Formats: sequence, C-alpha cells, structure tokens
Amino acid sequence: KAGVTQTPRYLIKTRGQQVTLSCSPISGHRSVSWYQQTPGQGLQFLFEYFSETQRNKGNFPGRFSGRQFSNSRSEMNVSTLELGDSALYLCASSGGLAGEWGNNEQFFGPGTRLTVL
Amino acid sequence: QQPVQSPQAVILREGEDAVINCSSSKALYSVHWYRQKHGEAPVFLMILLKGGEQKGHEKISASFNEKKQQSSLYLTASQLSYSGTYFCGPPNNAGNMLTFGGGTRLMVKP
Repeated sequence: KAGVTQTPRYLIKTRGQQVTLSCSPISGHRSVSWYQQTPGQGLQFLFEYFSETQRNKGNFPGRFSGRQFSNSRSEMNVSTLELGDSALYLCASSGGLAGEWGNNEQFFGPGTRLTVL
Repeated sequence: QQPVQSPQAVILREGEDAVINCSSSKALYSVHWYRQKHGEAPVFLMILLKGGEQKGHEKISASFNEKKQQSSLYLTASQLSYSGTYFCGPPNNAGNMLTFGGGTRLMVKP
C-alpha cells in the first residue's frame, strides 16, 4: 500500500504571498489531519477532515484553511504568509469509522517544509 | 491543553531501559505514542487504550498511573534504532484531534 504523500516537499515564499499544500492519504482512509511543526511550538494541530467535513480546527488564525475532496485528498491553504508560518507541515491519514478515530493509528506523510522570507 | 512529557532528553547505552512519561491535567482516556527521527515524519508506535489494552509495537509497552493522568512508555533493551524524539498525543473527547506533548529526545549510544 502506498503511504501518505505530500506535495510539494519544499517551498520558499515571501511574506504576503499565499500557498497551497497537498496531501494524498493512504487509499481507503477517509480522515486527514494537518499539523504544523516548529522547533519552538512543537507539533500543533491545524484541522481534521473526515469524508469532506472539517470536524475540528486548531487554534490558528483564519489565514489557515483547508478542504478535503471526495477522493479524500486534502489541501491546506495559508494566505498572507508571515515569517512565523515557516514550519514543517505534516498531514496524517487514518482509517476506520469516524467514531473509531481515536483508536486508530495516524500515518504521517513526509511533510512540506515551508520557508517564508 | 498540551500534555507534559518527561524527561525532555535521555541518553542510553544499547541494551539499557528507558521510561518516558506523559502527564495531563485531566484523565487520559487513551494515548498515542509516536517516534520521529531527525528529518523524517513521525511514525506510530502504539496506542494505549482506555482499559489498558495496547495496540501497536510488540517490543514497546505503556501503562497509565492510578488516576490515569499520566501514561508511561517503556523501552526495554534499547537498540540504536530507538534513537529519536518520542511524542505522546492523547485524543480529544470528540476523537478527532491529537494534542501532542513537547517530545522527549532519546539517544541510544553503542
């Protein structure tokens, strides 16, 4: 089974620009979660989608948004980039029913390293 | 609220044992554990479920303390491949997000 894939792997943007990151989950997985990882703040939850519905959103400004398509692929968008948005953005997929989410492992993708200059 | 992991870092010799703790201000109903090697994505280790059942890596075990406000991950007879940063992540009550601790850096030396 192919793992979680994320594109692009590396991205350099300037302040004020916007960016879209993509995540393809493991085939058959309906849940996709996004995390931001920085040395200072660690791994922080951004949002989770299950069958195209956003079920939860972390404590991030509205500049961070996402969506999930009918094939479970997900995108996240960051508008008006700030220097502090430089981070590794990880997505994770999991299988099973919605109610079983907490009991199922998360499979992480390799991440997108975003640098904002 | 973010769980607190301890210790923040530990250095072991191959074959030694280690315990990593994950503490919360509220009772933990289950806890996910992941390991991340430098430059790589986090990898699933195990889930400690509400009743103490474990799901995952055979050579790694975990437990809750009596009040279930702390989970401990036990690494026995450590190998060089155990090096990395370990994260605990309890799911929220709604079961749709993990709140990860700050991580424990583990280094296993020959």
